[in-house]
Amino acid sequence: QKEVEQDPGPLSVPEGAIVSLNCTYSNSAFQYFMWYRQYSRKGPELLMYTYSSGNKEDGRFTAQVDKSSKYISLFIRDSQPSDSATYLCAMSANNYGQNFVFGPGTRLSVLP
Amino acid sequence: ETGVTQSPTHLIKTRGQQVTLRCSSQSGHNTVSWYQQALGQGPQFIFQYYREEENGRGNFPPRFSGLQFPNYSSELNVNALELDDSALYLCASSLGAQDQETQYFGPGTRLLVL
Repeated sequence: QKEVEQDPGPLSVPEGAIVSLNCTYSNSAFQYFMWYRQYSRKGPELLMYTYSSGNKEDGRFTAQVDKSSKYISLFIRDSQPSDSATYLCAMSANNYGQNFVFGPGTRLSVLP
Repeated sequence: ETGVTQSPTHLIKTRGQQVTLRCSSQSGHNTVSWYQQALGQGPQFIFQYYREEENGRGNFPPRFSGLQFPNYSSELNVNALELDDSALYLCASSLGAQDQETQYFGPGTRLLVL
């Protein structure tokens, strides 16, 4: 079993839909959780950064962490074609970048 | 766009050759991390440099080596290239070694090994 699992997609949704992206993990020591967006031919861009369990909201984006289920989610409300990208989750037991483990990413297409 | 730049953008090499990739960090950032991203995979941590010293290394062989300069720019060197080294190489800079919330990635260098 991989340490971090993520459905690779592709996931296609119509413009305006609510998108749910998910990751599961096996290491119960993970406490730091991040979501990155990566456009084609670009580097990843940090979207959300959360510590421990709970929800965090930033504009149209909401990140949820359920440590008891080892499951994290990113919700995108009112999705736009500009949200079409690959979304990567990353997590770690501490805040050292060397210890962050990335999921393989989910490719999202938002159709106009 | 972040302030992290990488050069070159693309590179083609043959097996056994050596390659040097370069990264300029965001202004004010003293930490640079390098990642390898194979097609369809998430980035894998190679190593990190903090104030010119290596500060952690992932599961990569010694033929992957690096440097950080006094201006905090950095190089990644790969010797004896193998076909599996074909990937997107990303560098990311941050304000500190434990400051991942401020980590910004560059656009990457796409390396193809034939």
